[in-house]
Amino acid sequence: DAGVTQSPTHLIKTRGQHVTLRCSPISGHKSVSWYQQVLGQGPQFIFQYYEKEERGRGNFPDRFSARQFPNYSSELNVNALLLGDSALYLCASSSTANSGNTIYFGEGSWLTVV
Amino acid sequence: GQNIDQPTEMTATEGAIVQINCTYQTSGFNGLFWYQQHAGEAPTFLSYNVLDGLEEKGRFSSFLSRSKGYSYLLLKELQMKDSASYLCAASHPSGGSYIPTFGRGTSLIVHP
Repeated sequence: DAGVTQSPTHLIKTRGQHVTLRCSPISGHKSVSWYQQVLGQGPQFIFQYYEKEERGRGNFPDRFSARQFPNYSSELNVNALLLGDSALYLCASSSTANSGNTIYFGEGSWLTVV
Repeated sequence: GQNIDQPTEMTATEGAIVQINCTYQTSGFNGLFWYQQHAGEAPTFLSYNVLDGLEEKGRFSSFLSRSKGYSYLLLKELQMKDSASYLCAASHPSGGSYIPTFGRGTSLIVHP
């Protein structure tokens, strides 16, 4: 069975541009979360979606948005990119949004903003 | 607010035992995750503790004390491949769901 898949794996964008990152959860998983990981730090929570509804939002500006599709895949969008948005963006899936459900991470999308 | 604290870096010798500590303060608490992350890779799940006490899983064990807001990950018979970052994360309620808040990670260096 495939794990969590993300695309693209690496990308370079210019300040002010927009980026869309994509994620497909493990088959059967209905919850998708997005995290930002800056070098040397732990993952920082951005969004959680369950059954296509936003269930949680971290402390990120409105430039960050996301959505979940009927097939439970998800997109993370970032507008007006800043140099500080350069990071590894991790998608994680779990079977539900309940406590105790292990979250499984994808390999991530490395974003560099120049 | 949520606060997760763990040491930045630790070193140990191959074959030895190492304990990585984590303290947490969260608004509500459900359980404590430990993840391993090799450089340039995604985090992989190691353990999840809900109840107080020690849970053993092969060479790795994890301990939780809810009253003290404290956990540790114990790695035995260290191998070179155990060199990685170890992430502690506290699961807590947020907006009708549960999310893990991660610490900065502890970089473990295992040397011969």
